[in-house]
Amino acid sequence: NAGVTQTPKFQVLKTGQSMTLQCAQDMNHNSMYWYRQDPGMGLRLIYYSASEGTTDKGEVPNGYNVSRLNKREFSLRLESAAPSQTSVYFCASSAGTGPHSPLHFGNGTRLTVT
Amino acid sequence: QKEVEQNSGPLSVPEGAIASLNCTYSDRGSQSFFWYRQYSGKSPELIMFIYSNGDKEDGRFTAQLNKASQYVSLLIRDSQPSDSATYLCAVPPYASGGSYIPTFGRGTSLIVHP
Repeated sequence: NAGVTQTPKFQVLKTGQSMTLQCAQDMNHNSMYWYRQDPGMGLRLIYYSASEGTTDKGEVPNGYNVSRLNKREFSLRLESAAPSQTSVYFCASSAGTGPHSPLHFGNGTRLTVT
Repeated sequence: QKEVEQNSGPLSVPEGAIASLNCTYSDRGSQSFFWYRQYSGKSPELIMFIYSNGDKEDGRFTAQLNKASQYVSLLIRDSQPSDSATYLCAVPPYASGGSYIPTFGRGTSLIVHP
């Protein structure tokens, strides 16, 4: 049982380049999330998808777009990467968005923008 | 002010001691509270959750919740060097559409020295 799988694990981009971070879960979860983690800032929510077919902005959505491709997959796209987007990105999933649903995290993508 | 506050630490305790990690939150409507452990370079993993006032014990871990004072704490008894990690407090405040989306504190770094 793989849980939440993120690809790639590492990526280096030049300013202005674009890329898509992929995330897939095999737990039949309804809800999926993208967080970024920066030193001293904790985890900050970029976008989430409460259920297939819906997406909503989180705390720091600027510069990002998302696609909930199907129930399993939720991708994050950087259209024009900036150095401020250097971070570790975590995808997570949960059974739902009720108050008692814990998150299950992928292993993260470490992104450097030069 | 962040909605979920934690002392960033580091908190340093000797092996065998009790480590006490604290978290305060601002949304009085929050119903559940999660503690995640994150080893350096790894993804967060759930270790405890609590939604009723009082204490909840699981092995060496005890979560304590006081909704009136809006704080939740995590006690680790008989601390081991393997407990050295960053501990993240997550509180899902109510968001639009009936969703509870976890907001994370910045995390407290715990160091258990032999």
